[in-house]
Amino acid sequence: NAGVTQTPKFQVLKTGQSMTLQCAQDMNHNSMYWYRQDPGMGLRLIYYSASEGTTDKGEVPNGYNVSRLNKREFSLRLESAAPSQTSVYFCASSGRLVLDTQYFGPGTRLTVL
Amino acid sequence: GQQLNQSPQSMFIQEGEDVSMNCTSSSIFNTWLWYKQDPGEGPVLLIALYKAGELTSNGRLTAQFGITRKDSFLNISASIPSDVGIYFCAGRLPTNYGGSQGNLIFGKGTKLSVKP
Repeated sequence: NAGVTQTPKFQVLKTGQSMTLQCAQDMNHNSMYWYRQDPGMGLRLIYYSASEGTTDKGEVPNGYNVSRLNKREFSLRLESAAPSQTSVYFCASSGRLVLDTQYFGPGTRLTVL
Repeated sequence: GQQLNQSPQSMFIQEGEDVSMNCTSSSIFNTWLWYKQDPGEGPVLLIALYKAGELTSNGRLTAQFGITRKDSFLNISASIPSDVGIYFCAGRLPTNYGGSQGNLIFGKGTKLSVKP
């Protein structure tokens, strides 16, 4: 039981390049989330998916798109990376959107030059 | 957006000391959570609180959900070297409160380091 897994662990991009961050969970959770963590800022919600087939914007969605591929997988895409998107990205999942505890993956450290 | 004020920002601990940190907000929360993050890892849940006034322990950790529902504290007793890391509080707003979907709001973290 791996919990929440994320790939890649590290990535360096040039401004304007695109990439997709992958996330998968094996806990049969309904809800999944993408956060970014910047120094001294805590975690901020980018997008979330309450259940398979639905996605919604969080606090900081600009510059990102998401896909809930199936119940297990939730990907985050940067279409045209900008230096302001340099951050550590965390995926999380929970049984239900409102009531249940969120479990986090190990993170992807992204640098945009 | 909604904000949580977490303090202190950082603190140094000596093995055996007790440690205390807290989070406050101008908003009412339904749930308070405390997470710990080790370097290079994702946050790991330590304690979850669901009712105002609730006091919950997890080993040497004790956390309380404030009576006003606007604050929470975390205490670590008899600290050990592996307590070093960043501790985050997170609060869940009531669903549909100011447009909220019940998502978590995170504090900026308290960094625990060992006294040199």
